[in-house]
Amino acid sequence: GQSLEQPSEVTAVEGAIVQINCTYQTSGFYGLSWYQQHDGGAPTFLSYNALDGLEETGRFSSFLSRSDSYGYLLLQELQMKDSASYFCAVDSGGYQKVTFGTGTKLQVIP
Amino acid sequence: DAGVTQSPTHLIKTRGQQVTLRCSPKSGHDTVSWYQQALGQGPQFIFQYYEEEERQRGNFPDRFSGHQFPNYSSELNVNALLLGDSALYLCASSGGLAGGETQYFGPGTRLLVL
Repeated sequence: GQSLEQPSEVTAVEGAIVQINCTYQTSGFYGLSWYQQHDGGAPTFLSYNALDGLEETGRFSSFLSRSDSYGYLLLQELQMKDSASYFCAVDSGGYQKVTFGTGTKLQVIP
Repeated sequence: DAGVTQSPTHLIKTRGQQVTLRCSPKSGHDTVSWYQQALGQGPQFIFQYYEEEERQRGNFPDRFSGHQFPNYSSELNVNALLLGDSALYLCASSGGLAGGETQYFGPGTRLLVL
């Protein structure tokens, strides 16, 4: 079976840094993606890691350790608009047979 | 450049009925994937279409079927609707020159089964 674990909720202060972890157990692995979803909206692609290491895109960074089946999303200089749900997703079957985690609801407070 | 579009935005059906949802991929994309997202959950992969054929399928019953047309647009059909089919149905497109790992999601169709 496939399973991805993320914290259900995280609260952080505006301007701070927050890390959202994801551990996965899948029958295959091609890459780990992160998506942001605001309430009532569609998921928006943030990042994709196929190889170990850190990928940086502006205020967001994503890390992958394939040997540990672990990744994280790092959000810096938090803004109120970053309040949303964040999903990690594993592409496990090639051709993007993607399994999503249950999501982490991030609340940014002033 | 239009992104992924889906229709209708909202739909109310009763148990036992059939429903068809539609998706037009982002320009230049040739692959369409469908997901079901229940309230408070992550999207669940239903299936993926490429070159008018179902290429991958998730753990969904045969009541869920689909189609892709030559212009890459796609339909999701659900027969014999159950109350548990109430969810947000998301379409995502990818592929072409954009690369395969990035999926672009449409706004979704919110289905309520009574």
